[in-house]
Formats: sequence, structure tokens, C-alpha cells
Amino acid sequence: GEDVEQSLFLSVREGDSSVINCTYTDSSSTYLYWYKQEPGAGLQLLTYIFSNMDMKQDQRLTVLLNKKDKHLSLRIADTQTGDSAIYFCAESSNDYKLSFGAGTTVTVRA
Amino acid sequence: NAGVTQTPKFRILKIGQSMTLQCAQDMNHNYMYWYRQDPGMGLKLIYYSVGAGITDKGEVPNGYNVSRSTTEDFPLRLELAAPSQTSVYFCASKGTSYEQYFGPGTRLTVT
Repeated sequence: GEDVEQSLFLSVREGDSSVINCTYTDSSSTYLYWYKQEPGAGLQLLTYIFSNMDMKQDQRLTVLLNKKDKHLSLRIADTQTGDSAIYFCAESSNDYKLSFGAGTTVTVRA
Repeated sequence: NAGVTQTPKFRILKIGQSMTLQCAQDMNHNYMYWYRQDPGMGLKLIYYSVGAGITDKGEVPNGYNVSRSTTEDFPLRLELAAPSQTSVYFCASKGTSYEQYFGPGTRLTVT
């Protein structure tokens, strides 16, 4: 919702890196998430990071958190056509109730 | 495990009609959620439940009702459908991990 903002679209060439950015307003956010939604499907958790961490890496995914600026980013290395999807940033001050951003549609072009 | 299942996949309602969207999970999760997804708006939480017999309102509960009589099922009821309720509805569940598991969604059109 309004508490989590993301740019709506990103176009990237196959093999390049994608960077999706997110800002949030709740200073008590403890858990920050990235979910992926493929066409016609529900959301699936990609990765998450706790607010006491600056970075988390998981294979091609790197999450960076700047808690001072309330800025979260997701970097996808070597972007593939299968990475075309909508990516949602979400935050939570507990671990069960999330606020989602509007989602960033990533299009991977050949 | 089937995970989170939702029925129906698609539905067209006339204004003023009622319907129930079904959601079931077979993972013995305590937490269950209903979201609606509108283009460019992300997901908005309608209702959630932290266990059987316990439900609570989310951001956009008006026009909807829920019940949670069992751990497995969390139906969402629309009593008097309005065009503003045209949306894609997602049910999700969560256990002890941080992940919410989403169903495939129900696409509802109210005309």
C-alpha cells in the first residue's frame, strides 16, 4: 500500500543485472521480503531480510537494506527470460501481517 | 500436499448477488489471509485469521465477511456484490516460517 513504494516497470536485457528498488515508511519494520508473481499465479517468496542485516545473498539474488533511508533493493544477476515477472516488496513489524508494495513488472528482452 | 487451494478460478457476478470464495490449506498452518489485487495497487489485506475461531479485519474489509471454523478452511463471503469488488482474490497461509504460501487466485468480475 501507501507505506511501501516501488517503481512499476523495469526492462532489462537478458544476461544483464536487474535492480528493483523499494522504499518503506514504517521505522518499526523488522522483516522485509521480496515476493515473485509469475503470470496467472499466486505470489511466491523469493527471499527475506531482517532489519538488523545490511545484505543477504542467495545464488543470483542480492538484497541490500539501508535502514536509515528505509530503502530495500533486490539485484538479480545474469537475468534470464524466466525472471520476467512481477516482484513485490513487503514489510512487516511482526512476522505474520505484511504490507505490500504495488509491484514492479520486470520484462527481460533478448 | 496440495498447498493452498482456491475455488472457483473465475466467476462473473451481477451487482447485488452473493457468493463465497473458498480457500483451503493442508499444511496445518495457523495463519490464513485474504488479499485482493488490483492493477498497479499491489495486494490489500481484506481479513486474516491467526487460528480457528479467530478472525480480524485487514485494510479493506468493507463488503466482505469471513469465518474460520476449522484450521484448514477460510471462506470469504461477498454479500452484495458491487463493481468495486471486481478484482483478483488471493488466499494465503503461514505456519511457523516467515513465508506466506499463496493460492492460485480467483478472478472475480462484477457487472
